[in-house]
Formats: sequence, structure tokens, C-alpha cells
Amino acid sequence: QKEVEQDPGPLSVPEGAIVSLNCTYSNSAFQYFMWYRQYSRKGPELLMYTYSSGNKEDGRFTAQVDKSSKYISLFIRDSQPSDSATYLCAMNNAGNMLTFGGGTRLMVKP
Amino acid sequence: GAVVSQHPSWVICKSGTSVKIECRSLDFQATTMFWYRQFPKQSLMLMATSNEGSKATYEQGVEKDKFLINHASLTLSTLTVTSAHPEDSSFYICSARDWVAEAFFGQGTRLTVV
Repeated sequence: QKEVEQDPGPLSVPEGAIVSLNCTYSNSAFQYFMWYRQYSRKGPELLMYTYSSGNKEDGRFTAQVDKSSKYISLFIRDSQPSDSATYLCAMNNAGNMLTFGGGTRLMVKP
Repeated sequence: GAVVSQHPSWVICKSGTSVKIECRSLDFQATTMFWYRQFPKQSLMLMATSNEGSKATYEQGVEKDKFLINHASLTLSTLTVTSAHPEDSSFYICSARDWVAEAFFGQGTRLTVV
């Protein structure tokens, strides 16, 4: 079993839909949780960063962490075609290397 | 956010030649940088951890003589693919550790060996 599990998709939604992306993990020591967006042939771009449990909102993006369930989510409101990309969750314990999910490919259709 | 610059963004080289990829942290000092390899439609695979002023730590299965890493300053790490072969063709990405711990990535380098 992988340390971080993420549905690879692809996830196809119409423009304007609310998108829910999720990851589960097994290491209870993880404290820092990140979501990256990666466009084709580009490096990952940090979208959201959350420490421990709770919610964080930034514009159309909301990140949720539920440490009791070992489950994190990224919600995208009013999705746009420009949101079409691969979304990677990542997490670590302070000072340790990031552990990535496999990435979910999202397609937002106009 | 912090900026990590990676060059070149793409390179084509002949089999048997060597290619150097640079990774620079532009607005912060990075004591540790990481090098990843990514195959199409797959997630990032950590190749090595580069520490300023010391030898890199390679992940299991990564040939240290093939993938030479140098981290000569707090803002620059280089990856040299030596005697490249077509199977080395891939997307290589670096990242640099900020206070968040390894949060920022370079733009990636697409290497094609012909």
C-alpha cells in the first residue's frame, strides 16, 4: 500500500462546477499538507499549504485536512478550463522529504 | 512565493554526450535542493537530495556516477546527466527547501536523447 493514495482520474467536469480532489494517507506523523497544480510539461506550482487539521481558503480554492481520518481535500469553486491540469497532494513531517500522491488529472470542459 | 528557476527548459542531445541542468533559488537561500524525474502521466520520483557543500544523497536505484549532482552554493544546484542514452529521456524537476520544507519547484527540463 502506498503511503499516499490519490485517484489518478481523469476527472472531467463542466465549466462552473465544484471540483473535489482527495488524498488519503497512512502515516499519522504527517503534519504539513500541500496541494500542487502541474500543467503539462511544467514544474508543479504550490497552490495551498496547510499545517495540521482544519480548513484554508484562498480565492476559489479551499483545502481541508482531517487528520483523524487521514484524509485531505482540495475544493475548486466555479471551475474554469484554465484549471485543467494534474493536481498533486503532498505531505511531510517537519524537516522530512515530501511524500507525493500520484496526481489527479482534471479536465474542465467549456 | 519563493522562486526557483531551472534551465534549460528543454534540451535535445546526442547519445553519449553529457547534459547539465541548473537549478537556482532566486530569492532565498536553499541549503537543500531535490532532484526529481517524472515519466509521462506519472508522479514525481525523487532521485537525490542535494545539500550545499556536501555530497548528494541518492535514492535507491539511482546511479550516482550517471547523475552527477553539485550544490556549490546556497542558491545553485546542478544535475549532470553523463553519457546520456535514450532511456534517460525524461522530465527532470528540481525543488528547493524553504521554511515550508521543499515547497517550491523549478519549471522542469525536458531531456530528449537521440
